Amino acid sequence: RKEVEQDPGPFNVPEGATVAFNCTYSNSASQSFFWYRQDCRKEPKLLMSVYSSGNEDGRFTAQLNRASQYISLLIRDSKLSDSATYLCVVNGNSGNTPLVFGKGTRLSVIA
Amino acid sequence: NAGVTQTPKFRILKIGQSMTLQCAQDMNHNYMYWYRQDPGMGLKLIYYSVGAGITDKGEVPNGYNVSRSTTEDFPLRLELAAPSQTSVYFCASSPSREADTQYFGPGTRLTVL
Repeated sequence: RKEVEQDPGPFNVPEGATVAFNCTYSNSASQSFFWYRQDCRKEPKLLMSVYSSGNEDGRFTAQLNRASQYISLLIRDSKLSDSATYLCVVNGNSGNTPLVFGKGTRLSVIA
Repeated sequence: NAGVTQTPKFRILKIGQSMTLQCAQDMNHNYMYWYRQDPGMGLKLIYYSVGAGITDKGEVPNGYNVSRSTTEDFPLRLELAAPSQTSVYFCASSPSREADTQYFGPGTRLTVL
């Protein structure tokens, strides 16, 4: 099992739609979880941290399921500006990989 | 506050040439990282540093070297460039290693021909 796995997409959704991404991780001892956003040809930027109890930031909701080792990101009322690649990030399971980045899920929001 | 800066933005190298990718941060972060990102792939850690004078290998260190003489700077050296090193290189920094957010520079696009 890969350390962090994501559906690469693309997810093509109309403006205003609700879309959800899942991510699975292999290390049951992982403690830190994040969603990053990466625009085309740009650097990754933190979207939100993921907390055990779940957390919300405006239209974005992140959930953590430790028992099943997956993380989810829900985007409500999608905007054109949400089009990007969303990276699932988990702290690594060995001393030389502080954070492990998934390959990302590509989202295109269409007018 | 510029955050993390990287130079150059673009570079084309010939096989066998060497170069240094520069990275600097002005947030007084102790931890700094170098990643490479190949098309359609995730970020792979090359080297990281937990403070001035201390560096450690990541997942894909072969063909690269780093140094960390100051808190602010973390250059990445490519010796004897190979086509397999064609990639986008990102530098990042964080206050601590695992729990904290990493802040990324804008990247260097390197092509080796």
